[in-house]
Amino acid sequence: DVKVTQSSRYLVKRTGEKVFLECVQDMDHENMFWYRQDPGLGLRLIYFSYDVKMKEKGDIPEGYSVSREKKERFSLILESASTNQTSMYLCASSLLAGRYNEQFFGPGTRLTVL
Amino acid sequence: LAKTTQPISMDSYEGQEVNITCSHNNIATNDYITWYQQFPSQGPRFIIQGYKTKVTNEVASLFIPADRKSSTLSLPRVSLSDTAVYYCLVGDIGNAGNMLTFGGGTRLMVKP
Repeated sequence: DVKVTQSSRYLVKRTGEKVFLECVQDMDHENMFWYRQDPGLGLRLIYFSYDVKMKEKGDIPEGYSVSREKKERFSLILESASTNQTSMYLCASSLLAGRYNEQFFGPGTRLTVL
Repeated sequence: LAKTTQPISMDSYEGQEVNITCSHNNIATNDYITWYQQFPSQGPRFIIQGYKTKVTNEVASLFIPADRKSSTLSLPRVSLSDTAVYYCLVGDIGNAGNMLTFGGGTRLMVKP
């Protein structure tokens, strides 16, 4: 079975802190994604990556950056956390590059910024 | 950018067939339509994917009309465990700039 793991289930940070959310997949997938999920808004794509060191902006990249130094790991970075970034963050991966395929999601990280 | 629209919520009873429709008027030629299911405190889980006409697997069917401007997820004989949020996703990451768009989700409540 594909396994996507996220570094924390719950995280509490203070405004202005730098926050790292880590995601690891164990099935050699090409694509990795970061979403945030808020009540009433569904899932919104922040960034995705189709290869090591490659990234593409999603719908809401402002205030975020990403890093993919290894194929299995995709990190989401909040350079200076703000309260409006309090949300559930979901990481996903999919097999093939260059075409859409089934995404496998991690359990999510609920981030609270105080 | 193919925006999707789904009903916010639906109620059903055990044993009934449930149909959830997603509208995606601006769907592009290369876009696929995918449905996901999400339970509380879990990430979404893939249910079914299609491009046109009808697709069926062991848990659901997906109906897509010829103009592809909408799609309908059909769940046969639902049970209480089908209570979840269902998301319609339209997109293709094959071309730079094409975004993956989730709808707002439909909260399905199955009652005994």
